[in-house]
Amino acid sequence: ELKVEQNPLFLSMQEGKNYTIYCNYSTTSDRLYWYRQDPGKSLESLFVLLSNGAVKQEGRLMASLDTKARLSTLHITAAVHDLSATYFCAVGGTSYGKLTFGQGTILTVHP
Amino acid sequence: NAGVTQTPKFQVLKTGQSMTLQCAQDMNHEYMSWYRQDPGMGLRLIHYSVGAGITDQGEVPNGYNVSRSTTEDFPLRLLSAAPSQTSVYFCASSYSGGATRGTDTQYFGPGTRLTVL
Repeated sequence: ELKVEQNPLFLSMQEGKNYTIYCNYSTTSDRLYWYRQDPGKSLESLFVLLSNGAVKQEGRLMASLDTKARLSTLHITAAVHDLSATYFCAVGGTSYGKLTFGQGTILTVHP
Repeated sequence: NAGVTQTPKFQVLKTGQSMTLQCAQDMNHEYMSWYRQDPGMGLRLIHYSVGAGITDQGEVPNGYNVSRSTTEDFPLRLLSAAPSQTSVYFCASSYSGGATRGTDTQYFGPGTRLTVL
């Protein structure tokens, strides 16, 4: 059974600081996703990582994938308040249409 | 394109009542899925479909039924609602990309917030 674990689950950051969210998963997969969710809203796709060593960047967020270690990271550079949200990683299953999600990381950025 | 739509947005049921959560997509996606979101547990897959007429169970299928008679629609039925089914329900759709390998990026609907008393 595929298990996905994120840490930390809660992250309180000061504006301007850097931090990393980690996503570990238990079995081999070739698809890793990062989503953002604002309070009371739906999920917004941030990144899709499909191969070992894949790195994608958008603004202050950068995601990477190490399939051998079964680890993905979401790095936040120089955090700003607008990044406050819940971030989920999700791992693709044996069939398309099946994702297993981590518990989510609630990120709060303070002035 | 409207994307993925869900109705209703909010619903309150009494224990034992039945209801159907509606989900539709207009992107001609083959794959559709239902998830529930509970605090501290992320999203958990209830049922999913790989095409019209084909459905399968996810991680937490008990108490829920699905069918997919068309590509566009994927309703979720609660047969006899229980307080443990109080949750936020998200429908999602994705595509394989056909001959070009797709990413299976799932596009989520706005969600249905369900309370069972």
